Amino acid sequence: GENVEQHPSTLSVQEGDSAVIKCTYSDSASNYFPWYKQELGKRPQLIIDIRSNVGEKKDQRIAVTLNKTAKHFSLHITETQPEDSAVYFCVVESSGTYKYIFGTGTRLKVLA
Amino acid sequence: NAGVTQTPKFQVLKTGQSMTLQCAQDMNHEYMSWYRQDPGMGLRLIHYSVGAGITDQGEVPNGYNVSRSTTEDFPLRLLSAAPSQTSVYFCASSYAHGVRGRNEQYFGPGTRLTVT
Repeated sequence: GENVEQHPSTLSVQEGDSAVIKCTYSDSASNYFPWYKQELGKRPQLIIDIRSNVGEKKDQRIAVTLNKTAKHFSLHITETQPEDSAVYFCVVESSGTYKYIFGTGTRLKVLA
Repeated sequence: NAGVTQTPKFQVLKTGQSMTLQCAQDMNHEYMSWYRQDPGMGLRLIHYSVGAGITDQGEVPNGYNVSRSTTEDFPLRLLSAAPSQTSVYFCASSYAHGVRGRNEQYFGPGTRLTVT
């Protein structure tokens, strides 16, 4: 089955700096790659997603890049703010099966 | 529009007891799913459903049953609770075929289950 690895597990950045979180996956047929943000004690919420026919997608300060050949995708957050502090999960949908496999999460701390 | 609701919020069970976690959504979503969240392990898919009468297993289905008799409800049954099932359980729903390919999952608030 699909295997998703996410790095790093924790990340601390100064406010205003950029943060990058990377994920790799194993199933080359996977075609949908969302990112979820989970604040402490709350439910996960979608922040951005990308499909396999697109290499990059941007939404204000966040962007996702996808390299299908290498089977990895990354979340980029620019100009980080304290409210960006949360756990971020990459997710892979295994080729139209509706099976969503989550990475183990990255705890991002933005230091003021 | 309540979104995705889950009951109860908290539950303590003794080993061997059974119970049902309730999940309901009012967005007419075809897809519903159950995850468990354990420290350092992300969210793991237990069971999912793409419509009433259709269910399938996820990554960690053992010890859990589901049914989907209506579009709105997707209960999760623990057959004989074990300490290894201590976790936070999230229900989620989405359209099966998202708008412009965006299959956003909406999560419920979670149920914190402790098995002693």
